[in-house]
Amino acid sequence: GEDVEQSLFLSVREGDSSVINCTYTDSSSTYLYWYKQEPGAGLQLLTYIFSNMDMKQDQRLTVLLNKKDKHLSLRIADTQTGDSAIYFCAESMEDSNYQLIWGAGTKLIIKP
Amino acid sequence: DADVTQTPRNRITKTGKRIMLECSQTKGHDRMYWYRQDPGLGLRLIYYSFDVKDINKGEISDGYSVSRQAQAKFSLSLESAIPNQTALYFCATSENRGYFTDTQYFGPGTRLTVL
Repeated sequence: GEDVEQSLFLSVREGDSSVINCTYTDSSSTYLYWYKQEPGAGLQLLTYIFSNMDMKQDQRLTVLLNKKDKHLSLRIADTQTGDSAIYFCAESMEDSNYQLIWGAGTKLIIKP
Repeated sequence: DADVTQTPRNRITKTGKRIMLECSQTKGHDRMYWYRQDPGLGLRLIYYSFDVKDINKGEISDGYSVSRQAQAKFSLSLESAIPNQTALYFCATSENRGYFTDTQYFGPGTRLTVL
């Protein structure tokens, strides 16, 4: 079945770039998403990429998609303490009536 | 005001009790979802509804039931709560564009503890 995998933790120094990785198994993905969950809050959409794109940039965020390797990454430039959160990767597929398949989330820890 | 609200925000209950979690939205979206979040497991879909007359089981529907009372309201019930249902529960909504999925908008979550 479909599967989305992420590392559970990532630790970076303030000011460095953070790269959060995600792999997925189903090649029929239509959209791939990054959601952010701050402590004590619900999830908020951070950015998304259509499966026919390979890169999307939005201010400090860069999303890279390698369809051949089924690999998605989120790069956060100049990581700040406010970026501390859990980041979820999710994919939607036409075959599953466009339900979202979620990764387990990567907790981003910022070191001073 | 928040677009997606959940009540209660926190609930502690005992094994065997019936619990209802409520979700309301002002976004006018047709689609609503209930998820549970457990540490290290991410989000798992419990039930979803594409409109008032459409209810579908998700990945982990056993032990849960739902009711879509109106377009804006979608409630989740635990008929007889058990300790392994202790989790953070999220409601979400999305538009129905008919050809691809859309951004899901999440409520703030309900933290449920079953003793």
